[in-house]
Amino acid sequence: QVQLQESGPGLVKPSQTLSLTCTVSGGRVSSRDSYWTWIRQHPPKGLEWIGYIYHNGDTYFNPSLRSRLTMSVDTSKNEFSLKLTSVTAADTGVYFCARLPLDGSNAFDYWGQGTLVTVSS
Amino acid sequence: QSVLTQPPSVSGAPGQTVTISCTGSSSNIGAGYDVHWYQQLPGTAPKLVIYANTNRPSGVPDRFSASKSGASASLAITGLLAEDEADYYCLSYDGTVRIFGGGTKVTVL
Repeated sequence: QVQLQESGPGLVKPSQTLSLTCTVSGGRVSSRDSYWTWIRQHPPKGLEWIGYIYHNGDTYFNPSLRSRLTMSVDTSKNEFSLKLTSVTAADTGVYFCARLPLDGSNAFDYWGQGTLVTVSS
Repeated sequence: QSVLTQPPSVSGAPGQTVTISCTGSSSNIGAGYDVHWYQQLPGTAPKLVIYANTNRPSGVPDRFSASKSGASASLAITGLLAEDEADYYCLSYDGTVRIFGGGTKVTVL
């Protein structure tokens, strides 16, 4: 059973950088059978795919966020991270990390519980 | 406004069947990309209930079924239970971006 846990500041000031980390247990971020994913949810509903990263560092980003986005993977800590620069109130939401297995299912199967990030001064 | 269109809400009495539609276009669902469905209970992460158009993950009751035709897909919940009250989202792909529907609130009357 793969488990994911997001961590990071819950409050970020406008124009600053949002940084989150997802720690994985029960699976390895070094595995060749998964993409490691970030998804966010704007209140009250709106799910938005942010992007994913492969074990070798290859990344695939939502074009709407690409210019502000960085992702990285740390195999020694079994975690992956997200950095989003120049945040505004529109970046407020619940951020989830998730796994996309490369088994043909093509769906995000395991998710973290989510962490609320508020952009406010 | 989401690229994938879902009704904001549907409702049904216990034991009844509800159906949720997810309408896309020729650039996503109609292009042959898979549709997946998620259930989200309040305050929790989405849970996969259908993957690759019609498949149920292990542990998901067979009361959940789905289909896909052309540029649309649908999720059916038969024998509705109180515990099915949740938000439901479809997910697909447009060749570049993973895209979610706007979500449907299922209310059990």
